[in-house]
Amino acid sequence: GAGVSQTPSNKVTEKGKYVELRCDPISGHTALYWYRQSLGQGPEFLIYFQGTGAADDSGLPNDRFFAVRPEGSVSTLKIQRTERGDSAVYLCASSPRRDRYRELFFGEGSRLTVL
Amino acid sequence: GENVEQHPSTLSVQEGDSAVIKCTYSDSASNYFPWYKQELGKRPQLIIDIRSNVGEKKDQRIAVTLNKTAKHFSLHITETQPEDSAVYFCAASIIQGAQKLVFGQGTRLTINP
Repeated sequence: GAGVSQTPSNKVTEKGKYVELRCDPISGHTALYWYRQSLGQGPEFLIYFQGTGAADDSGLPNDRFFAVRPEGSVSTLKIQRTERGDSAVYLCASSPRRDRYRELFFGEGSRLTVL
Repeated sequence: GENVEQHPSTLSVQEGDSAVIKCTYSDSASNYFPWYKQELGKRPQLIIDIRSNVGEKKDQRIAVTLNKTAKHFSLHITETQPEDSAVYFCAASIIQGAQKLVFGQGTRLTINP
C-alpha cells in the first residue's frame, strides 16, 4: 500500500505567481489535513477535510490560500499571488476516520520557494 | 487557542544514555498528546501517543508521561542509539471535530557514538 503522495516535491516560483500543490492520500482515508512547516519550526495547521468538504479552514493565513477536495480523495492546495513569506514545506496528512485518536500519516511534503 | 511549548530546542547525548524532551500546553481541554519523529528531509512519523486518561505509556525504549494538573508531558528515550538522531515534535489536540494537532517547535536530538 502506497503512502500519502505529494507533488511536486519542489516548486520554485516568482513572487506574484499562482501555484498548486497536490496531495493523494492513502486509499480509504476520509480525513485529510494540510500543514505548513517553516524552517526550524513544527508543522502549522492550515485546513482539514472530512470527505469532500472543508470542515475546518481556520488555519489558512489569508484569502490567497484555498484548498479543494472535489471527490473526497485527492486534494489541491492553491496559493494566489505568492509572496516570499509563503516559502515553506507544505505537508499533507491523511487519517482513517475509524480511529477516534487519529494517527496522521504524512506525505514527504512539497517544498515551495518564492523568489 | 492552544499553544504548545517544547524544550530543549537541541539535545546531544552519548549513545546508550537517556534523553528527555519536555512540552507544556495551554488549553486544559486538550486530551490527546502524540509525539512525531522527523528524520532529515523525511516525513514526520508517529512514534508514541498518550491520552489524558493515563499518566504514562511505554513502548520498548520510549515512554511518555503526562501531568494534566501542570499541563505538561514528556518523552523519554532510554539506551539511545544512533538511529534515534532526528527532530522530535510534541503535539496536543482535542478529541472532537477536526482534532487538529498543535505542534511544538521541535527538538533536534543528536546521539554521539
